[in-house]
Amino acid sequence: NAGVIQTPRHKVTGKGQEATLWCEPISGHSAVFWYRQTIVQGLEFLTYFRNQAPIDDSGMPKERFSAQMPNQSHSTLKIQSTQPQDSAVYLCASSLVRGGSYEQYFGPGTRLTVL
Amino acid sequence: GEQVEQRPPHLSVREGDSAIIICTYTDSATAYFSWYKQEAGAGLQLLMSVLSNVDRKEEQGLTVLLNKKDKRLSLNLTAAHPGDSAVYFCAVSSSNYQLIWGSGTKLIIKP
Repeated sequence: NAGVIQTPRHKVTGKGQEATLWCEPISGHSAVFWYRQTIVQGLEFLTYFRNQAPIDDSGMPKERFSAQMPNQSHSTLKIQSTQPQDSAVYLCASSLVRGGSYEQYFGPGTRLTVL
Repeated sequence: GEQVEQRPPHLSVREGDSAIIICTYTDSATAYFSWYKQEAGAGLQLLMSVLSNVDRKEEQGLTVLLNKKDKRLSLNLTAAHPGDSAVYFCAVSSSNYQLIWGSGTKLIIKP
């Protein structure tokens, strides 16, 4: 089992450009979560899919950020018109989310730097 | 909403000694409690997790204690070794599965 796969590992964009981050969950896991990690804010929940359906996007900035899960094998987080304050490590996790299992397993993250 | 406080922010112990990290939370409906380890430049590694019906869990030199009355969660590393040096996070969740995180503890193991 390869674990959660995130690509790219590092991405550098110029201010105003678009960034798309990819996540491949562990095979058989029904839920995908996105989090953001910064020095100042720490770890923050962004959004969550279960069986490919969006369940909770309460942590997503209302503008410029969107997430999709077009099939069970990958999810994307897209940031339009990136700003320097979007610089962070974006972490994806997957979980079985059944039978009382809450455990979330994380990928290595994508470090986004907006110049 | 749920608030999680973690302490200490930094902890330095000698190799072979114990290290204790504590988190307090505010929501009595919190159902799931977990600890993660993050090594430099790496992702988050799930160490241990418990549900709210468990008070104590031990695995491979780690002990998690849950005190629901005081809303306190602790992680005890016994006989620390250099490979334990990392940042440790607690993370809790209610039934919505969204993890709420502590601010992290940077643990350094001195030889």
